[in-house]
Amino acid sequence: EAQVTQNPRYLITVTGKKLTVTCSQNMNHEYMSWYRQDPGLGLRQIYYSMNVEVTDKGDVPEGYKVSRKEKRNFPLILESPSPNQTSLYFCASRILQGTELFFGEGSRLTVL
Amino acid sequence: TQLLEQSPQFLSIQEGENLTVYCNSSSVFSSLQWYRQEPGEGPVLLVTVVTGGEVKKLKRLTFQFGDARKDSSLHITAAQPGDTGLYLCAGGRYNNNDMRFGAGTRLTVKP
Repeated sequence: EAQVTQNPRYLITVTGKKLTVTCSQNMNHEYMSWYRQDPGLGLRQIYYSMNVEVTDKGDVPEGYKVSRKEKRNFPLILESPSPNQTSLYFCASRILQGTELFFGEGSRLTVL
Repeated sequence: TQLLEQSPQFLSIQEGENLTVYCNSSSVFSSLQWYRQEPGEGPVLLVTVVTGGEVKKLKRLTFQFGDARKDSSLHITAAQPGDTGLYLCAGGRYNNNDMRFGAGTRLTVKP
């Protein structure tokens, strides 16, 4: 089954404790992206990647890092999480020349 | 300020009613998409429109892209409880690598 898999789905952590949210897709998509979803603000792009070793900042990259060492994986790293990073995070992928984004089920992160 | 403004933000109607949701911007987009998101899940694509003035129909849903490719509307005829969800519009720029989302319209259809 074609899918985008995120882990963990839920996480409660404390300020400053480094964490990684993993994202994996099995559709051989070149393009992958991370979004955060907050009430009243919709989905805002954090980082995106058009291929292995190619990453670019989106609208709200501050406080986040990403890497793309393999085509299928695109982890989101919070080196020192803060409470304003409490949010619902989505990973998405698509073929490079396409428009349809395939989303994971989301990762709800709470930073205390 | 959102690049894409959706209205209304919330909509609660009775089964069988018609409704229209709007997505407006001052920017021109190379494509515009509508997604539906249900609780606990990621958004799922409903339709993509790419040509100014384009109209697409998906059963009871009709999507229109503005002539200037800056706005779009989603019309639902005879809404059903299964239409309940968060409807998101998304505009693509720069070969769709910059995909901007609206804040969404939360639709509730009561039986």
